[in-house]
Amino acid sequence: EVQLVESGGGLVQPGGSLRLSCAASGFTFSSYWMSWVRQAAGRGLEWVANTKEDGSEKYYADSVKGRFTISRDNANNTLYLEMNNLGAEDTAVYYCARDLRDSRSPGVDEWGQGTQVTVSS
Amino acid sequence: QSVLTQPPSVSGAPGQRVTISCTGSRSNIGAGFDVHWYQQLPRKAPKLLIYENNNRPSGVPDRFSGSKSGTSASLAITGLQTEDEADYYCQSYDTTLSSWVFGGGTELTVL
Repeated sequence: EVQLVESGGGLVQPGGSLRLSCAASGFTFSSYWMSWVRQAAGRGLEWVANTKEDGSEKYYADSVKGRFTISRDNANNTLYLEMNNLGAEDTAVYYCARDLRDSRSPGVDEWGQGTQVTVSS
Repeated sequence: QSVLTQPPSVSGAPGQRVTISCTGSRSNIGAGFDVHWYQQLPRKAPKLLIYENNNRPSGVPDRFSGSKSGTSASLAITGLQTEDEADYYCQSYDTTLSSWVFGGGTELTVL
């Protein structure tokens, strides 16, 4: 059974930093692109970033480019999201997600349960 | 507003059929990128419902189907059940934005 378990969320002050982690199990982590997707309260889904199987390619939404860094540790089946210079607009539930494999267009086939990030003073 | 446009809400009685539209443009759906659909039950994480326009992952009932034409896509749900009450999101890729794009979501109410 595929499991994606996020951790590291919490309350952070504006301008602060936070590092999210996602522990993956139940599949060969190193064989999949992985993504982060977020959802502000009462709002829709927003793709944040994704990374190639070996971490050699990384892509970001414009809204987080230059502030967030996605990375992965394939030896420990863990995905990370380093978030810097956080603002109120970053307040959301952050989902770790497994990308569709061999798909013609990017998408997600498995989701974690999410971790709440709240940016407030 | 979202790059992909969905109706904010749809409703139907148990047993009925509803459709949810997802309208894009020539830089995303119209450019040939596939559409995926996700179901998000209340207070739950999203779940993949339809991938690559019209394919159902294992375990998704055949009451759910998808289609794509031109710059739009649709999700159809037949034989509505109360447990289908959820938010539904379409998603594709936009070549101008170089980014994944989601619809704003559609809330389905089963009357």
